[in-house]
Amino acid sequence: DAGVIQSPRHEVTEMGQEVTLRCKPISGHDYLFWYRQTMMRGLELLIYFNNNVPIDDSGMPEDRFSAKMPNASFSTLKIQPSEPRDSAVYFCASNPGLAGIREQFFGPGTRLTVL
Amino acid sequence: QKEVEQNSGPLSVPEGAIASLNCTYSDRGSQSFFWYRQYSGKSPELIMSIYSNGDKEDGRFTAQLNKASQYVSLLIRDSQPSDSATYLCAVRGGNKLTFGTGTQLKVEL
Repeated sequence: DAGVIQSPRHEVTEMGQEVTLRCKPISGHDYLFWYRQTMMRGLELLIYFNNNVPIDDSGMPEDRFSAKMPNASFSTLKIQPSEPRDSAVYFCASNPGLAGIREQFFGPGTRLTVL
Repeated sequence: QKEVEQNSGPLSVPEGAIASLNCTYSDRGSQSFFWYRQYSGKSPELIMSIYSNGDKEDGRFTAQLNKASQYVSLLIRDSQPSDSATYLCAVRGGNKLTFGTGTQLKVEL
């Protein structure tokens, strides 16, 4: 299996622009998680999906952030409009959802820089 | 108070020594605990999980859990330069993981 795939790997944009981050989870995994990592706040959960349905979005910082999962193999995280404080590494992770498997498998991340 | 707390380090140990990494958590009802390793510029990868009080050993790694004290630790024996990384403690609540900010470990030659 190719693992969790994220694109783009790096994104540089200007304040006010729309940013879309993409994720393809591991095939067969029922759970998908979006995290944000910064030096100051560490790794924070933004939102997670189960069977394509958003379950908990309490970590989404504000209305500028939105996430969708239109099917089992694709999810997006959108920031509109972007701000410099959104600069961070965004990780997507997936989990098979089986009781005996608790590990989350992380993608390589997208490094976002908002100028 | 943060839900999962770790000393940010850096923790420096000489090659061959034992590295001890510590983590405390606030939710007394937590049942599952994880240690992830993250190399600079890379994504976190799971190295240990522990669910019961006591010790769990896997090769050079030992995870220790004390639920009464709400304390989790990771011991790395015979530390190698390749162990130099940031170690993230994670606590599971429901289907969510809450991570600490990580401890940076440096293993010196």
